[in-house]
Amino acid sequence: GQNIDQPTEMTATEGAIVQINCTYQTSGFNGLFWYQQHAGEAPTFLSYNVLDGLEEKGRFSSFLSRSKGYSYLLLKELQMKDSASYLCAVRRSGNTPLVFGKGTRLSVIA
Amino acid sequence: DVKVTQSSRYLVKRTGEKVFLECVQDMDHENMFWYRQDPGLGLRLIYFSYDVKMKEKGDIPEGYSVSREKKERFSLILESASTNQTSMYLCASGTEEAFFGQGTRLTVV
Repeated sequence: GQNIDQPTEMTATEGAIVQINCTYQTSGFNGLFWYQQHAGEAPTFLSYNVLDGLEEKGRFSSFLSRSKGYSYLLLKELQMKDSASYLCAVRRSGNTPLVFGKGTRLSVIA
Repeated sequence: DVKVTQSSRYLVKRTGEKVFLECVQDMDHENMFWYRQDPGLGLRLIYFSYDVKMKEKGDIPEGYSVSREKKERFSLILESASTNQTSMYLCASGTEEAFFGQGTRLTVV
């Protein structure tokens, strides 16, 4: 089976840094994805990790440790527009569909 | 830009009706997917397809079927809609990352 866990909700202050964690236990691993989803909209791709380490993309970074089954998404210099749900997803092998966690709803407050 | 287009943004159907949700992508992707998204349950995979005329069951296929007659089009069919199929339905395509359509919010009354 597969299990992907992430916190349900988080709150952070504008201008701050927030880290959203994701742990996974899946039958196979071939990449971890992070998506952003604003309320009422489609998920949009943020980042992809398949090797251990940190991938940086502007204000967003994503980290992966395959041995620990652990990833995090780091958002710096938070803006109000970053208020959204953040979805962690795992590809188990080759071409298989992504398996999603339940998402973390982030609220950015002034 | 990749574009995945779903035929309707909002739909209201009656219990027992046959419902068709259409999805079209313009990037020549072989892989297409249908998910439903419910509060507290996240995105769950209903069906997917790796090629024309091919289909595979996802995690929750009961009550649904699909059709892939052309590479760019993947249809989700609710044979006899029920109230527990009220949900947000999301179509996606792609080989590496998945690109999502805007979603169809279906209400079955």
